[in-house]
Amino acid sequence: IAGITQAPTSQILAAGRRMTLRCTQDMRHNAMYWYRQDLGLGLRLIHYSNTAGTTGKGEVPDGYSVSRANTDDFPLTLASAVPSQTSVYFCASSDSGGGYTFGSGTRLTVV
Amino acid sequence: GEDVEQSLFLSVREGDSSVINCTYTDSSSTYLYWYKQEPGAGLQLLTYIFSNMDMKQDQRLTVLLNKKDKHLSLRIADTQTGDSAIYFCAEIPSGNTPLVFGKGTRLSVIA
Repeated sequence: IAGITQAPTSQILAAGRRMTLRCTQDMRHNAMYWYRQDLGLGLRLIHYSNTAGTTGKGEVPDGYSVSRANTDDFPLTLASAVPSQTSVYFCASSDSGGGYTFGSGTRLTVV
Repeated sequence: GEDVEQSLFLSVREGDSSVINCTYTDSSSTYLYWYKQEPGAGLQLLTYIFSNMDMKQDQRLTVLLNKKDKHLSLRIADTQTGDSAIYFCAEIPSGNTPLVFGKGTRLSVIA
């Protein structure tokens, strides 16, 4: 593993189903983030975590939850997926100097 | 709150210079970034500038920062077809706050 690994790469999900997007980093960065990217809207922050054991809400948190049990992992859960959650999801982490590293993204389609 | 604005489209001829503009609202921004996203790909950090700098040059890229007007620009000299992508302006408003993105400018390079 080098940097940030996201899984799955893509997924088609039935509405109403529960889904967890996985994110793992190996850089020992304290802070981690989840963004969603939608055409014409750029990247919007869903949730973030400044350090293990803490989380915070971003701009568009509704319908999503996160946990940060350790430094390396920051999963994003959709409890009951809806079509408006169709998007590309990017996980990121940052070092204390403001350097961000992004994962390759998860393309999620809710049908 | 934080807000980052950029125009959505820019079209230039190959060999010309491209200038992508961005405005932000938070006067306490510490770092400002330019990211590039090619079709179907993740985010690539192009360059960044600290808020105490006015200009930064890196090969074909020149970043200008006008703190008084809260205006950031990215100039790409001798634009090539490989520069066609979406360019995102982003800022860290202050301290530990997460990265805030603009909606992205789609650069089209005409051969």
